[in-house]
Amino acid sequence: EAQVTQNPRYLITVTGKKLTVTCSQNMNHEYMSWYRQDPGLGLRQIYYSMNVEVTDKGDVPEGYKVSRKEKRNFPLILESPSPNQTSLYFCASSRTGQGDYEQYFGPGTRLTVT
Amino acid sequence: AQKVTQAQTEISVVEKEDVTLDCVYETRDTTYYLFWYKQPPSGELVFLIRRNSFDEQNEISGRYSWNFQKSTSSFNFTITASQVVDSAVYFCALSSYTGGFKTIFGAGTRLFVKA
Repeated sequence: EAQVTQNPRYLITVTGKKLTVTCSQNMNHEYMSWYRQDPGLGLRQIYYSMNVEVTDKGDVPEGYKVSRKEKRNFPLILESPSPNQTSLYFCASSRTGQGDYEQYFGPGTRLTVT
Repeated sequence: AQKVTQAQTEISVVEKEDVTLDCVYETRDTTYYLFWYKQPPSGELVFLIRRNSFDEQNEISGRYSWNFQKSTSSFNFTITASQVVDSAVYFCALSSYTGGFKTIFGAGTRLFVKA
């Protein structure tokens, strides 16, 4: 089954404790992206990747890191999480690297930072 | 700068009513792509439609239709004869070459359809 998977689905952590949210897709997609969803703000892009080893900042990259060493994986790293990073996070992938095709989204990761 | 505005925060209708969700976008690019996604109460994000800037044809898919007008920079979404299952948050999104194909989402419109 074609899908985007994210782990964990739920995470409660404390300020400053490094964490990684994994994302994997099995569709051989070139484009992958991370978003955060907050009430009233819609989805805001954190980072995106147009292909392996190519990443770029979205609109809200501060406090996050990403890497794209393999085509299928695009982990999101919070080196020192803070309460303002409490949010619902979505990973997505798309067929081409230009963002011109629809994105397929993972199920979301609800992160709480206390 | 790119921007997507969904001015309607929440809309409430009674089943079988028609409802239009508005989307206004801003971009300086001549080549761009517009999308609508649905987020039902279960939380997943589901793709509905994609349009490129060179294709202004309106599209109909069952009870759903989309009206793309470059002259007013709008890409509105109409649900005909709404049903309770249409209750969801709907997002409009824009992607273009500016800034390397970032994707900008609107804030979303929450649609309540009452039986």
